[in-house]
Amino acid sequence: SYEMTQTPSVSVSPGQTATITCSADKLGDKYVAWYQQRPGQSPVLVIYQDTKRPPEIPERFSGSNSGNTATLTISGTQSLDEGDYYCQAWDTTTVVFGGGTKLTVL
Amino acid sequence: QVQLVQSGAEVKTPGASVKVSCRASGDTFTSYGISWVRQAPGQGLEWMGWISAFSGDINLAQKFQDRVTLITDTSTTTAYMEMRSLKSGDTAVYYCARDGPRFQDGPITGFDSWGQGTLVTVSS
Repeated sequence: SYEMTQTPSVSVSPGQTATITCSADKLGDKYVAWYQQRPGQSPVLVIYQDTKRPPEIPERFSGSNSGNTATLTISGTQSLDEGDYYCQAWDTTTVVFGGGTKLTVL
Repeated sequence: QVQLVQSGAEVKTPGASVKVSCRASGDTFTSYGISWVRQAPGQGLEWMGWISAFSGDINLAQKFQDRVTLITDTSTTTAYMEMRSLKSGDTAVYYCARDGPRFQDGPITGFDSWGQGTLVTVSS
């Protein structure tokens, strides 16, 4: 089965850039989406098709995907960006999520 | 924007079945599909399966193929997920999410709308 690996936790100071990565075999050959999940809430789509943002998502969220690694970058991180972030990809007939990264804004 | 409203929390004993509903509004129901995702307490997201409200096609994750049934009712714009032979390890929040009308459309859109989640507790 296809597996995607995320770093369990990332810490960043307010105003700095947060980088969250997702690694898997030939991930760059697939489309990747990213979700933010705040405690007690449903996930929210923040990036799809590797780099696209839904209209309601702030411009400080950006994505890239190449080789074996997809990256979610949050520029000018704010305290409200704290939460868990999950990458997602599609493999033949299944959908796979990464294990999640907990983002802490100190 | 699509709104997805799920049924309320359930408490079940081991071996029982549960049926979770997901009522959609705000867009043409048959123009998309519904994926089901669960999240055990303190754990990550786990995809369970997808059903097209357009065609009725279904893809289920292998581990759920013998215990989970997905259906849609276009007359009420509602999707349902039924799980049988519940075990304590099935205790989780179950989410529905809007997906593509064909499975291969999913990567194009991502899951852009989610239900509020339904807590299913399995305990003796």
